[in-house]
Amino acid sequence: GAGVSQSPSNKVTEKGKDVELRCDPISGHTALYWYRQSLGQGLEFLIYFQGNSAPDKSGLPSDRFSAERTGGSVSTLTIQRTQQEDSAVYLCASSPELAAQETQYFGPGTRLLVL
Amino acid sequence: GDSVTQMEGPVTLSEEAFLTINCTYTATGYPSLFWYVQYPGEGLQLLLKATKADDKGSNKGFEATYRKETTSFHLEKGSVQVSDSAVYFCALLNTGFQKLVFGTGTRLLVSP
Repeated sequence: GAGVSQSPSNKVTEKGKDVELRCDPISGHTALYWYRQSLGQGLEFLIYFQGNSAPDKSGLPSDRFSAERTGGSVSTLTIQRTQQEDSAVYLCASSPELAAQETQYFGPGTRLLVL
Repeated sequence: GDSVTQMEGPVTLSEEAFLTINCTYTATGYPSLFWYVQYPGEGLQLLLKATKADDKGSNKGFEATYRKETTSFHLEKGSVQVSDSAVYFCALLNTGFQKLVFGTGTRLLVSP
């Protein structure tokens, strides 16, 4: 079946612009996660959704970052007023449900470059 | 907080050599443990996992055993291939905390 998909695959933007990153999880997966992979910070958790709600937003690096999920499916990560330190690969993952034993399946990522 | 420590890379081996990549963790409770692999130009893929102490995860000739007494989850393969060249990430997922906590990754380079 189809895996997690993300768009765009690459995004180049100018400092100060807003960007939206999209994630389509595996059909039927109720849990969705966003991570960021950067050279300096490795792989870091940003936020997760159970259905449409996000109980834990503590991983978002600043108030310029926000995320939403609608219809229990597609999620959008928005970065406002982008900064050069936001340059990274943004990864989305989904799992059948929210449980420690569940495998998180990752998408290919969106590579963001802020000039 | 929870953390994962992996051996520094790169690990450079010849084809058919034995591989060990060390991984230790610090966590409260009883986390699940994972190895993910990232091949060049590709996304993260689950390699194997173990959800409780003494479980052994295995896949594609790789295996790792969940050792609670030593808080370790070392990755092993008896005979590596050039196609195994990739970055390997050890990770944990703790009950009640839904985020994967990753190690820094270990790059494996296998030469013919």
